[in-house]
Amino acid sequence: AQSVTQPDIHITVSEGASLELRCNYSYGATPYLFWYVQSPGQGLQLLLKYFSGDTLVQGIKGFEAEFKRSQSSFNLRKPSVHWSDAAEYFCAVAPNTDKLIFGTGTRLQVFP
Amino acid sequence: GAVVSQHPSRVICKSGTSVKIECRSLDFQATTMFWYRQFPKKSLMLMATSNEGSKATYEQGVEKDKFLINHASLTLSTLTVTSAHPEDSSFYICSAGLGQGVNGYTFGSGTRLTVV
Repeated sequence: AQSVTQPDIHITVSEGASLELRCNYSYGATPYLFWYVQSPGQGLQLLLKYFSGDTLVQGIKGFEAEFKRSQSSFNLRKPSVHWSDAAEYFCAVAPNTDKLIFGTGTRLQVFP
Repeated sequence: GAVVSQHPSRVICKSGTSVKIECRSLDFQATTMFWYRQFPKKSLMLMATSNEGSKATYEQGVEKDKFLINHASLTLSTLTVTSAHPEDSSFYICSAGLGQGVNGYTFGSGTRLTVV
């Protein structure tokens, strides 16, 4: 069965530090891959997505993610975190074109 | 850009009553809308896929008689939690598709339901 794993439940970083959020998926082929961000009590905002082509994907708010087929991973990165980046981050995969499967999320806390 | 409006943002209801949550696509027509439920500190679980003009497709384990979904127009889908109980308390989020598959999904801002 398809699944998405975000091994880090909670990450704390200092403002200005670099960030990497991990995401691994289990699927026979390469699915569509997404990262979403959710502020408290809010819906989800799409940060970036990968369908095909260049494995390094640029997104909004200075985020990027790299697809590594050999590791079945799609880790999210940001070189310098801002306090406003504190939120819940969800990795999601779409095994086909219709349905999103979400990971359990990683809560990011940013210290000044 | 595509905007999805979800209403209400918060609702408190008494046990045994029904609650309706609306999901509207404001500037586009959505042939498909999705309803998710998010438990505290958990991921989003897809409850059902709502298709305009036809019956919703429910995920395994979701009671269709308890969570009634209606998608009567291309801009509106509603989720009604019938005979709500405290265990139905949760955060419910809808998303709407632009007809481009997952490439075009936009999420609403969610509804916090508390059943007392």
